[in-house]
Amino acid sequence: AQKVTQAQTEISVVEKEDVTLDCVYETRDTTYYLFWYKQPPSGELVFLIRRNSFDEQNEISGRYSWNFQKSTSSFNFTITASQVVDSAVYFCALSDSNYQLIWGAGTKLIIKP
Amino acid sequence: NAGVMQNPRHLVRRRGQEARLRCSPMKGHSHVYWYRQLPEEGLKFMVYLQKENIIDESGMPKERFSAEFPKEGPSILRIQQVVRGDSAAYFCASSPHPTARWNEQFFGPGTRLTVL
Repeated sequence: AQKVTQAQTEISVVEKEDVTLDCVYETRDTTYYLFWYKQPPSGELVFLIRRNSFDEQNEISGRYSWNFQKSTSSFNFTITASQVVDSAVYFCALSDSNYQLIWGAGTKLIIKP
Repeated sequence: NAGVMQNPRHLVRRRGQEARLRCSPMKGHSHVYWYRQLPEEGLKFMVYLQKENIIDESGMPKERFSAEFPKEGPSILRIQQVVRGDSAAYFCASSPHPTARWNEQFFGPGTRLTVL
């Protein structure tokens, strides 16, 4: 069965600190896709990244970076030098043999000034 | 190119009333997905539709909920005789290709339903 676990319910850091959001997934498929979405207080969903299971290269986009490790079934997300505007709920999601997106419960990130 | 449109953005209903949520997919997209987000939770798949067809409604409650995607016009998620537990954010997503796992689903802004 597919499952996405985001064990951190809420994280609070002071601005400019680095923060890592964890995501662990379960799937029986060898081909699958992993996603991260941001949901700011306004409520919309903002697509951040998509990664397929055959590409284990880490990705960096500005202050954002993603660490994909198939050996531990993890797809962690790090924000470097966090800013108040990064405050949001962040969701990790999985898509495998089914078109459905399986979502984690989300991690609420609070960046204090 | 306009994104996925959902309306209304906020909807308030009293218990027992009907709620109709609309979703217009992105131009060129003929596949629509509805997800529900209960407070403090992640999204849960409800239904997948193509034009005039329901492909998978395995996530939809068996009673009171229905969805359609007519040949013309938006997709509609209909909730009859709403109860307080239906209060949630309902997100619609669209895609041009249904089963490609690489396919990114484009999400609308959501409709927040409050049942009094």
